[in-house]
Amino acid sequence: KNEVEQSPQNLTAQEGEFITINCSYSVGISALHWLQQHPGGGIVSLFMLSSGKKKHGRLIATINIQEKHSSLHITASHPRDSAVYICAVRSGDSGNTPLVFGKGTRLSVIA
Amino acid sequence: KAGVTQTPRYLIKTRGQQVTLSCSPISGHRSVSWYQQTPGQGLQFLFEYFSETQRNKGNFPGRFSGRQFSNSRSEMNVSTLELGDSALYLCASSSGQGAFSPLHFGNGTRLTVT
Repeated sequence: KNEVEQSPQNLTAQEGEFITINCSYSVGISALHWLQQHPGGGIVSLFMLSSGKKKHGRLIATINIQEKHSSLHITASHPRDSAVYICAVRSGDSGNTPLVFGKGTRLSVIA
Repeated sequence: KAGVTQTPRYLIKTRGQQVTLSCSPISGHRSVSWYQQTPGQGLQFLFEYFSETQRNKGNFPGRFSGRQFSNSRSEMNVSTLELGDSALYLCASSSGQGAFSPLHFGNGTRLTVT
């Protein structure tokens, strides 16, 4: 059974701080997603990756396939980054398996 | 391009009733997947439809069902509602072509069962 663990569960940061959220999974995957959910429920896909590193603005996502671990970094955090960040993976090789989600990390950035 | 549209946004039902939720995907997307989100369990996969065929099904009782129409719009139905079905139900659409099809989520339907 594929399990996805995120840490920390909750995170409070001061504006401007560098933030790291971690995700570990237990089986081989074809893809890993980082999602952002704001209060109200809507989910936005931030990154989708299977190797290496991706960057978009102040957000950086990395993945280490051998260690089955991914990190999401936020540089120069801002109160508008306050949200729940969710890691999700697709197991196997086909790419058509269902997503399995972590429990999420609730981030609060204080001005 | 219009995003993923879910209707209704909010719904209140009584135990034992049934409910139908609707999801209109982004134009051209052939895959629609459904998820349940609760405070205790987080996000859980319900099912996925691709070109009107169910491609995957999560570990939910048979009271949860879905379908997809020829225009890719999808509905999910929950019969004999229980208090524990209260949740945010999200759908997502994608082109469905493999692991790297980006997912686009709707804003969800918040179902309250009393």
